[in-house]
Amino acid sequence: RKEVEQDPGPFNVPEGATVAFNCTYSNSASQSFFWYRQDCRKEPKLLMSVYSSGNEDGRFTAQLNRASQYISLLIRDSKLSDSATYLCVVTDYNNNDMRFGAGTRLTVKP
Amino acid sequence: GAVVSQHPSWVICKSGTSVKIECRSLDFQATTMFWYRQFPKQSLMLMATSNEGSKATYEQGVEKDKFLINHASLTLSTLTVTSAHPEDSSFYICSARVIHRGGTEAFFGQGTRLTVV
Repeated sequence: RKEVEQDPGPFNVPEGATVAFNCTYSNSASQSFFWYRQDCRKEPKLLMSVYSSGNEDGRFTAQLNRASQYISLLIRDSKLSDSATYLCVVTDYNNNDMRFGAGTRLTVKP
Repeated sequence: GAVVSQHPSWVICKSGTSVKIECRSLDFQATTMFWYRQFPKQSLMLMATSNEGSKATYEQGVEKDKFLINHASLTLSTLTVTSAHPEDSSFYICSARVIHRGGTEAFFGQGTRLTVV
């Protein structure tokens, strides 16, 4: 079983749609969780951290479920510019060991 | 935010030659940098952890004699792919982490697309 698993997609949605991605992780001792965004042939960039209580940043909402060991990302009112690959990242207690999911590819169409 | 600069952004080389990739932290000091490799449609795989002033720590299955890492200063780490072969063709990305009040954030270089012909 992979340490961090994501549905690779692709998710093809129309503009304005709401789309959700899930990510599961195998290490129950994982402490920190993030969503990164990676555009084609570019480096990943931090989209948002994921907190235990859940957090929202504009159109983006992240949730953490420790009991079931998954995190989620919800994107509302999708924009064309949201098209990218979204990487789930899980780290250990010291944030020394970062593990990346393979990413979920999203394409938002007009 | 912090800036990590990686150079070159792409390189094409012949089999058997060596390629050096540089990773610089531009506005902060990084005692530790991380080197990843990413194949198409796959996740970033950690290759090694580069430690300033000491030997790098390699992940299982990564040949340290093939992927030479040097971290000679607090702002520069280099990865040299020695005797490159076509199967080494990949996207190589370096990363450094910054600890701030909100937690630890990873910053990535722009990546180097290596093609070995």
